Amino acid sequence: GENVEQHPSTLSVQEGDSAVIKCTYSDSASNYFPWYKQELGKRPQLIIDIRSNVGEKKDQRIAVTLNKTAKHFSLHITETQPEDSAVYFCAASKGSNYQLIWGAGTKLIIKP
Amino acid sequence: NAGVTQTPKFQVLKTGQSMTLQCAQDMNHNSMYWYRQDPGMGLRLIYYSASEGTTDKGEVPNGYNVSRLNKREFSLRLESAAPSQTSVYFCASSEAGLEQYFGPGTRLTVT
Repeated sequence: GENVEQHPSTLSVQEGDSAVIKCTYSDSASNYFPWYKQELGKRPQLIIDIRSNVGEKKDQRIAVTLNKTAKHFSLHITETQPEDSAVYFCAASKGSNYQLIWGAGTKLIIKP
Repeated sequence: NAGVTQTPKFQVLKTGQSMTLQCAQDMNHNSMYWYRQDPGMGLRLIYYSASEGTTDKGEVPNGYNVSRLNKREFSLRLESAAPSQTSVYFCASSEAGLEQYFGPGTRLTVT
């Protein structure tokens, strides 16, 4: 069935450095790729998303890139700050009336 | 705009008891979802409703039932709770399968 693999499961970076989280999807019909951030004890919240007709999207310190040929997409966080510490989930969907297929999550730790 | 609301916030059940988790959204979204999240784990879809009047099983539907009461409300019922159902339950809604908005969650413990 459809599958989204996410790596790494844990990522520890020095404050101010960049962090990259990668996801691979299996269904070539997927056309919507969101990233969610979940702080400890809180609900997941969307931080950025990309559709299949776009290769890259940026929003201040975060960016997402999509490679449709290789079926993978990545989250890039630059100039990391303590408040970036959280679990990040990627997901993929074929769009309306389809469920999101979720990655297993990456725990991002920002070291002071 | 309250977004997605869930009740109760916390619940403790004994094995074999039943309960219904309530979810409501005020964003006029067509689709609604129920997830469970075990400690330190990812999100697993229990049931979803792509539109009012339809419901479909997700990845882990056993032991649960759902009702899409109307466009706003989507409830999750545990008929006979088991310790394996101890988890945090999130309801979410979305429009056209895009961004999902999550409720604050219900923390359920089954003893």
